[in-house]
Amino acid sequence: AQTVTQSQPEMSVQEAETVTLSCTYDTSESDYYLFWYKQPPSRQMILVIRQEAYKQQNATENRFSVNFQKAAKSFSLKISDSQLGDAAMYFCAYHADSSYKLIFGSGTRLLVRP
Amino acid sequence: DTGVSQDPRHKITKRGQNVTFRCDPISEHNRLYWYRQTLGQGPEFLTYFQNEAQLEKSRLLSDRFSAERPKGSFSTLEIQRTEQGDSAMYLCASSPPTGYGANVLTFGAGSRLTVL
Repeated sequence: AQTVTQSQPEMSVQEAETVTLSCTYDTSESDYYLFWYKQPPSRQMILVIRQEAYKQQNATENRFSVNFQKAAKSFSLKISDSQLGDAAMYFCAYHADSSYKLIFGSGTRLLVRP
Repeated sequence: DTGVSQDPRHKITKRGQNVTFRCDPISEHNRLYWYRQTLGQGPEFLTYFQNEAQLEKSRLLSDRFSAERPKGSFSTLEIQRTEQGDSAMYLCASSPPTGYGANVLTFGAGSRLTVL
């Protein structure tokens, strides 16, 4: 069975600094996608970044980038120049081409200190 | 289009009562998903519709749960004989049929259920 593990329940970062959130996953599939979603307090979940497993190049979206290590089944999110608005729950998620469902990790709460 | 809409946003009910949640996806999205999220946890998949067909159901979806999408547009999730363990946020999401965004889910704000 596919699983997604986020081992950091909470992380803290100083405004303008860089933080990395960790995620590992387990799968026997070859075709899959990985995602990071952000869920601000009392607000809906939004996509941060997406990575196709067949692509070796790490995805980037402005201040957000990933470190995708396929052999190690690791998918970390780096947030550069952290802003107060980055404070939220961050969920790592996995989707296999052979299925319809998105499998989420348990989340990491990111606190941003002013 | 205003995104994925869910109604009601919050429902408080007594144990044993039935509740129904409604989801209106983005109009051009033919894929619709229901997830359940309990406090401090990631969302758990419940069920998936492609147009009006329910193509996948989680074993989490017990006999007390039923979901429909009668005309391939809005969807309803009904919970019969609610139990306290059903208290959670019920999230609806949708995605387009093909292309880059086919597996990029747009989520609604959720319907929070409290069972007393």
